Parts: sequence; structure tokens; C-alpha cells
Amino acid sequence: AQKITQTQPGMFVQEKEAVTLDCTYDTSDPSYGLFWYKQPSSGEMIFLIYQGSYDQQNATEGRYSLNFQKARKSANLVISASQLGDSAMYFCAMREGGYNKLIFGAGTRLAVHP
Amino acid sequence: DVKVTQSSRYLVKRTGEKVFLECVQDMDHENMFWYRQDPGLGLRLIYFSYDVKMKEKGDIPEGYSVSREKKERFSLILESASTNQTSMYLCASSPRTSGPTDTQYFGPGTRLTVL
Repeated sequence: AQKITQTQPGMFVQEKEAVTLDCTYDTSDPSYGLFWYKQPSSGEMIFLIYQGSYDQQNATEGRYSLNFQKARKSANLVISASQLGDSAMYFCAMREGGYNKLIFGAGTRLAVHP
Repeated sequence: DVKVTQSSRYLVKRTGEKVFLECVQDMDHENMFWYRQDPGLGLRLIYFSYDVKMKEKGDIPEGYSVSREKKERFSLILESASTNQTSMYLCASSPRTSGPTDTQYFGPGTRLTVL
């Protein structure tokens, strides 16, 4: 069965420093997609970054990058130069089969301290 | 911009009541989804729909049903609400294709409390 594991329930980081949020996945499908979402306290889910299983390079979007290690089945999110507004829940997700279905990890709550 | 709206941000109901949660998207997406979110469990899929009047069970469909009479609207129904259905409910939509940018877009969520 496909599964997403986020082992860090909570993390904190000093403002302006970088932080890595861990995500490992398990699938037997050769073709899959990995996503990260941010959920601020207001509740909406905000799409951050995507990595396809056949992508040769790690995805980047502004201050977000995805450290994709296919052999280890990990897709860690790296946030550089943390800002106070980065404080939120972060979810890793994998696209499963057809219909754009996603399965989600349990999430990591990030707190950015000034 | 994709917009997904949900009928209520907060809802309080009593045990045994029938509850309707409405979701509307304005991007002509084929797929729509209902999740519930609980601390430590992430988001779990209740039901999804890939076309009008079509629906598929997700991982936790027990106690829920859905309706999709129009493409833009997807309703979640709690036939007889119970206290263990107290949760945050999130609706999402996505296009039918599965390209890099074909992600799911989420509504703001409905926090349901069943007393």
C-alpha cells in the first residue's frame, strides 16, 4: 500500500535560518508525484512545490526546494531564510493512481522564532 | 485563480442531526474531493467524484454520503451526525489530467462540532 510518513510532529527554527522537513514515502508504482502543502492557522491548504518521479532535478520554488532522493524514497522540503510567516502546518502528499487522488502524511508543525 | 468555497467555516450540530456540507468550485474541474483532518492523522479521504453523478469511496466513507448533481458542486452528507464526526472538513478540486501543475485546490475548511 502507498504511504507517506512525516516523523517530525513539530519543529522550530530561528528566523532567517534554513529548515528541513522530512518526508518518506512508500509505493510500488514507477510513476508518482510528490507534493508539499502549507496550512496556516487560518486553515486553507496552500500548494508549495511538486516533484515528479521521473524528474532528474530537484524542484525549486523561490525559498522552497525539494530534496528528492529516489533510492531512499524521501522527499524532504527545505525552506531557506525562514520568515515568521512560515509558521504553519506542512503536509507531504503523494499522488496515487488516477483521478489526481492524494494521500497525505500526518504533517509537521513549524514554528519560526524571531 | 482557482476558487473553492465551502458553505460554512464553523458549524455546530447535535447528535443524530442530518448535516450537509456544501462545496463549490469555479474552475470547471472534473474531480472533487472531501477530506477530514484530525490532529496527528493528516488528511483522510472520505469520498471523491470524477464526474457529475459519479462517486467513489475513499479511505473512511462510513457514516458519510455525497452528492454531485452539478459539475461545480459537491456535497458531503452526514446522515446521522455523531460526536466522533467532530472534525475539520476540507473540500478540494482538481482537473482530470495528472501533470505537474495539476494539483488539488482546497477550500477554507469547515470546522464541524457535533454535541
